Amino acid sequence: GEDVEQSLFLSVREGDSSVINCTYTDSSSTYLYWYKQEPGAGLQLLTYIFSNMDMKQDQRLTVLLNKKDKHLSLRIADTQTGDSAIYFCAETLNYGGATNKLIFGTGTLLAVQP
Amino acid sequence: DTEVTQTPKHLVMGMTNKKSLKCEQHMGHRAMYWYKQKAKKPPELMFVYSYEKLSINESVPSRFSPECPNSSLLNLHLHALQPEDSALYLCASSQEVGGYEQYFGPGTRLTVT
Repeated sequence: GEDVEQSLFLSVREGDSSVINCTYTDSSSTYLYWYKQEPGAGLQLLTYIFSNMDMKQDQRLTVLLNKKDKHLSLRIADTQTGDSAIYFCAETLNYGGATNKLIFGTGTLLAVQP
Repeated sequence: DTEVTQTPKHLVMGMTNKKSLKCEQHMGHRAMYWYKQKAKKPPELMFVYSYEKLSINESVPSRFSPECPNSSLLNLHLHALQPEDSALYLCASSQEVGGYEQYFGPGTRLTVT
């Protein structure tokens, strides 16, 4: 199936690290993405990882990829109240030929307590 | 500039109305997308345009009619919608359709009464 699973909710204290997990379905996905959505807003691309990598660091964000288990995680260091949002992982699904589409995960609501 | 703009921000329409949503990008992207997002759910793909041609239609009802007049503009024409069509409609663009990262607009919050 096309279900990309994430845990629904994560609560952390300001200054702690947050780890958001994602289990995807298509082992042939070339890119995997993390998007952030604040209330009432569109999706903001945070970072992405190519499938031949197992880790990518981008300032406070660290993405880990375990291809064997089809598991993706996003670690946010020194979490701030401004990080409170819904986080979606997304995999690319080949639609035929050169066309790919994004399949989004179910989304994780991150709540940062001051 | 990685901005995708959408107008209007909010739209309330009756079931017999005809309205249009507009999306614009000036990043030189050749792929543009419409998504529908219900509350507390992930976005669902509706349409994909590649080089101004419709590339994917995810079996969307004909009361939604997309249009790509040029490479920077994407419209979604709405007619005879149902209350269950109320949602956030998101536009996105990417360099090409081949798995490149997509940049999203802020969305249009649509309410059908």
